[in-house]
Order: sequence, then C-alpha cells, then structure tokens
Amino acid sequence: ETGVTQSPTHLIKTRGQQVTLRCSSQSGHNTVSWYQQALGQGPQFIFQYYREEENGRGNFPPRFSGLQFPNYSSELNVNALELDDSALYLCASSFPGAGNTIYFGEGSWLTVV
Amino acid sequence: AQSVTQPDIHITVSEGASLELRCNYSYGATPYLFWYVQSPGQGLQLLLKYFSGDTLVQGIKGFEAEFKRSQSSFNLRKPSVHWSDAAEYFCAVGPQGGGGNKLTFGTGTQLKVEL
Repeated sequence: ETGVTQSPTHLIKTRGQQVTLRCSSQSGHNTVSWYQQALGQGPQFIFQYYREEENGRGNFPPRFSGLQFPNYSSELNVNALELDDSALYLCASSFPGAGNTIYFGEGSWLTVV
Repeated sequence: AQSVTQPDIHITVSEGASLELRCNYSYGATPYLFWYVQSPGQGLQLLLKYFSGDTLVQGIKGFEAEFKRSQSSFNLRKPSVHWSDAAEYFCAVGPQGGGGNKLTFGTGTQLKVEL
C-alpha cells in the first residue's frame, strides 16, 4: 500500500470535453506530481505542486491544470480533450526534501473517443 | 536535459535464471535513481532507489542495482527470477535538490518469465 488513492479508476470522455481526476495522499505528503503514461510508454511528468502552488511543469499545454488542497488531496484537470489524451494518469506524492520515497497511486485510465 | 535509456524493450528469461535489466542515464549532476515495477493495469511500485552512499543498492523482492558513475548506468539485477516477476520495469532519474518528484522515466523493459 502506497497511501496514494486515485479516482476514478476508469472513465470515458468525448473529444472536446473536460475531465477532473482526483488524488488523495498520505498526511504530510505536501509534494504531489502528476504523470501521463500513454500505452507502451514510460510515464511523462506533467506538473508538480508543493504547498498548493505549482512549482514545476513538463512539456504539456496549459489546458492541463491542477490544484492541491490543504488536506493533501489534489486534482488534475484537462480541458478540450483530444484523442491523444487517452492514457493512464498517475499521481505521485512524497514528504518534502530530497531522498524521500516517491509513492505512486494505481492511476486513472482515461479514454477519449 | 536529463534522459533515461532502457535499451531492451523485451526480455525473456527462464524461471530460476539470473536477470539483468540495463539502464543508462544522462544527467548534468549527481542523479537520484530509481527502479519501479508495473504489473498490467497497475500503478508503479518502487523496487529500490539510489540517492548517495553505497553504490550497490538492495531493494525489495530480491532485486539489487549498482550505480556506476563512469558508465552512467544503473542496472537492475536479480540472481534467480520467479514467475511472479513478469511485469514491466522502469528506470527513472530525478534531481537531488529542489526538483521534488519530477522524474524522467525510460520507456520500460517488458520481462517475460518462461516456466
């Protein structure tokens, strides 16, 4: 058990729609990041939040956005869904500071049709 | 920019045989290195990590990895593979300071175990 819970586990959306994916981390894990894993690929870093502020972003457009809440939960929002957004979305969290273990959730499978 | 290369896309070994999965990284400073395993339809489970100190790192499930700075490698090994080890394995590199959870992953190695 990693203590990182994601919801929903699977969902199907139509191109152009918006989606919100949720993540709940362990108490004290105030660093959370989101990854996109397309089929057959390694996870790609989307962005990271620390103390409710974004402090790092990968090569993803602004229609990918997020929120982090004081209760160690977070959200990934994707607007104007495209077919290529179909992927497994992973949430990862850790205690702050270098050297700490990064825990991943089971992921949310998003299919865009 | 940092990058990770896993040269072997697929590897097949017999149960009980030894295993080595290769990982090479490119990073401008001392890296923070990880191996994760992913079973079908599942999230990532941490096998082991290297942050500093002893370059031979022991992990869970009998896995170990060796950090070789001169070769920019962090290969994963197991002396005797079990059928339950069949999964996809990802090597990742991250920053040692200030980068938090920003990891760069390789494309993965799919391990098949023959009984």
